[in-house]
Amino acid sequence: QQQVKQSPQSLIVQKGGISIINCAYENTAFDYFPWYQQFPGKGPALLIAIRPDVSEKKEGRFTISFNKSAKQFSLHIMDSQPGDSATYFCAASMEGGSEKLVFGKGTKLTVNP
Amino acid sequence: DVKVTQSSRYLVKRTGEKVFLECVQDMDHENMFWYRQDPGLGLRLIYFSYDVKMKEKGDIPEGYSVSREKKERFSLILESASTNQTSMYLCASSFGLAGVHSYGQFFGPGTRLTVL
Repeated sequence: QQQVKQSPQSLIVQKGGISIINCAYENTAFDYFPWYQQFPGKGPALLIAIRPDVSEKKEGRFTISFNKSAKQFSLHIMDSQPGDSATYFCAASMEGGSEKLVFGKGTKLTVNP
Repeated sequence: DVKVTQSSRYLVKRTGEKVFLECVQDMDHENMFWYRQDPGLGLRLIYFSYDVKMKEKGDIPEGYSVSREKKERFSLILESASTNQTSMYLCASSFGLAGVHSYGQFFGPGTRLTVL
């Protein structure tokens, strides 16, 4: 119940295309869903996050879509650029509880020029 | 800028050695975390700490211990290194009182440990 399942494991997209990464969770107590971006040789960094009271959050070319009834959320990267090539992790936690994050297994995104 | 530094980027040790991985953060964060990152397995939490001298087990604490004597420093200890502990180790920190939900966790660059 503590797992967050992420797919796909890897993704190749052409420059200008849309990248979509999906995550699913089981624990209905989760109420905070961040995405982290990790470039090679660096630690992950917070990219964007959503709470379940909204169905979508957009920051620039990055959008999180959230479906509470399906217990799924996804990251959409519009107009994907080679500089977006990185590993992306979804995560979940409970705001009223621990400071811990439960991470998905990651998606390696490659954007070809 | 928040800075989380880890003592080594690369480390090679022999089986049975005692290994210390050090992490220091400069933002007065209450929370500190140790993860290991393996291909296809993502980030797995080893231990975390809410305050000085306080620690809690994460999902994979076996074979590891931690020490937090000062607020800014969190050490991961492998008492007797084994080959299955070859991995990338990431340290992170965050503000207390739901800070992780407002500002996120701040990660160091990682230490790639190889145990021969």
